[in-house]
Amino acid sequence: DAKTTQPTSMDCAEGRAANLPCNHSTISGNEYVYWYRQIHSQGPQYIIHGLKNNETNEMASLIITEDRKSSTLILPHATLRDTAVYYCIVRVGGGGTSYGKLTFGQGTILTVHP
Amino acid sequence: DGGITQSPKYLFRKEGQNVTLSCEQNLNHDAMYWYRQDPGQGLRLIYYSQIVNDFQKGDIAEGYSVSREKKESFPLTVTSAQKNPTAFYLCASSATVYNQPQHFGDGTRLSIL
Repeated sequence: DAKTTQPTSMDCAEGRAANLPCNHSTISGNEYVYWYRQIHSQGPQYIIHGLKNNETNEMASLIITEDRKSSTLILPHATLRDTAVYYCIVRVGGGGTSYGKLTFGQGTILTVHP
Repeated sequence: DGGITQSPKYLFRKEGQNVTLSCEQNLNHDAMYWYRQDPGQGLRLIYYSQIVNDFQKGDIAEGYSVSREKKESFPLTVTSAQKNPTAFYLCASSATVYNQPQHFGDGTRLSIL
């Protein structure tokens, strides 16, 4: 699976949009971009994923550049409860010996402040 | 509500003992996974199962064993052969192993007495 690069930490004011970047310059054509977050001492929570089109769900939006070498997770109206570590992961869609495995890097610590 | 239940939340083990961590899901998912997380680090895959009565080793299977006798259950046994078992253990499930989001339980924190 391709490696990802994320900023170590970011701050955001409550009520504002949080934009979390991720670089994945070695992504392959069959690799998807996944975003998870983890609040201390809890299991990771799935947020969103996509292949090449932008995606939106009730939690967030995912913007993937046309060359697929980077993406941005957008939390439109951040709240204090969005403070967590956010992980960007690229993952093979299927097949091969590594299918199913999620490779978590260090992630971005997002702090939402009042 | 559908979800994944891990128990217990905290577990203590004496040296030389085997312990079993429970993972149950009511999401009707075929695939289940066990990960280990150490402080300040990402998740590492221990075992995964695509379907009932089938399971495969992940990256760090030594010292662990699993079974998958029922679709909804995937218990993990940490054996005495695991030299450094103190960690946060996470169970996950997905509809299939092929590009379906994995959903996680809240974990079990294992400590050695």
